Amino acid sequence: DGGITQSPKYLFRKEGQNVTLSCEQNLNHDAMYWYRQDPGQGLRLIYYSQIVNDFQKGDIAEGYSVSREKKESFPLTVTSAQKNPTAFYLCASSIGTGGGQPQHFGDGTRLSIL
Amino acid sequence: KNEVEQSPQNLTAQEGEFITINCSYSVGISALHWLQQHPGGGIVSLFMLSSGKKKHGRLIATINIQEKHSSLHITASHPRDSAVYICAGADQFYFGTGTSLTVIP
Repeated sequence: DGGITQSPKYLFRKEGQNVTLSCEQNLNHDAMYWYRQDPGQGLRLIYYSQIVNDFQKGDIAEGYSVSREKKESFPLTVTSAQKNPTAFYLCASSIGTGGGQPQHFGDGTRLSIL
Repeated sequence: KNEVEQSPQNLTAQEGEFITINCSYSVGISALHWLQQHPGGGIVSLFMLSSGKKKHGRLIATINIQEKHSSLHITASHPRDSAVYICAGADQFYFGTGTSLTVIP
């Protein structure tokens, strides 16, 4: 079945450590997204990519980095510069960006600080 | 002020009740997305609509682009409908904070 796979489901980080969250899709979608979800808040866009080797900052990109070397993969690195990384992270993809393109979401990664 | 506002934030209903969740937005969007988030966190797309009404099973979504308002209705609610319902601009950049629905048997 086609879909989006995020791993791991749970991730723990020590202070000052970088961690990378994996997102893989086999839907042949051009666009991929990373969102952060905090309790009581809507999803906030971290980064998005419209095509391979290209990505754009979202509203809360500080302390995060991404790469898009392959169409099917869009890993997110939470760097030590992100001072409050504890959150639920969701990856999504769509055929393209812009209105009218339904998104498919992964099951999320829950990141906690030790 | 959030560009997408949902109401109510929390909703508890008895099984069988008719439920309405509202979404108002202040940004110009071409289409609106209704999403369902399960307790484990996974998100499922329910509807994408740019005008009129769409129906899928017991779920009905309506949108009025001129008034920038959309509603999600659930008929004959069931405990398995318990989830967080999120409306979002279909440009992937604007999300409501969600409505947490609990349906009691």
